[in-house]
Amino acid sequence: KQEVTQIPAALSVPEGENLVLNCSFTDSAIYNLQWFRQDPGKGLTSLLLIQSSQREQTSGRLNASLDKSSGRSTLYIAASQPGDSATYLCAVMTTDSWGKFQFGAGTQVVVTP
Amino acid sequence: NAGVMQNPRHLVRRRGQEARLRCSPMKGHSHVYWYRQLPEEGLKFMVYLQKENIIDESGMPKERFSAEFPKEGPSILRIQQVVRGDSAAYFCASSPGTARSTEAFFGQGTRLTVV
Repeated sequence: KQEVTQIPAALSVPEGENLVLNCSFTDSAIYNLQWFRQDPGKGLTSLLLIQSSQREQTSGRLNASLDKSSGRSTLYIAASQPGDSATYLCAVMTTDSWGKFQFGAGTQVVVTP
Repeated sequence: NAGVMQNPRHLVRRRGQEARLRCSPMKGHSHVYWYRQLPEEGLKFMVYLQKENIIDESGMPKERFSAEFPKEGPSILRIQQVVRGDSAAYFCASSPGTARSTEAFFGQGTRLTVV
């Protein structure tokens, strides 16, 4: 059974610092991995999707890497801003559960001005 | 292209009543997923549907919960005889479902409160 863990559970940084969020998964037979952002009381916003054949994806200040063999993905957010404050969720789709995402518990990020 | 639309955004039901949650997927998406987020817990998969078919309902409670995605109209998640433990945020997601793209897009959720 796939288990997804996100460390740390919470993170507070001053504005301008780079953010590093970690996601680990136990079953490396994944189809893809997706990073989301969730604001309090809101839905999920898709940030980046990495297919299993890819090593990384980039969008603006965001970069996500994937190492299937070690069961890890890292989300980097460069030059953090107060508007980046949110909970970041990692979700994995395994090849034997196509269409079903297994979510981590999330990392709650606070960027202080 | 409108995103995934869920309604209502907030729903209050008394114990024993029925709750109906609606989800309209993004245009061109034929796959719908329902997830539940209990207070202080992560998102848990409930059910995966295509038009007129349930593909995977392994996360659905065995009783009182049902889901459908008819040929026409939105997907419906139905909870009969609600109890306090059903209070949660219910999220719907959709995707094209093709082998080339399984990226999921989520709606804003329906927050169900059972009183």
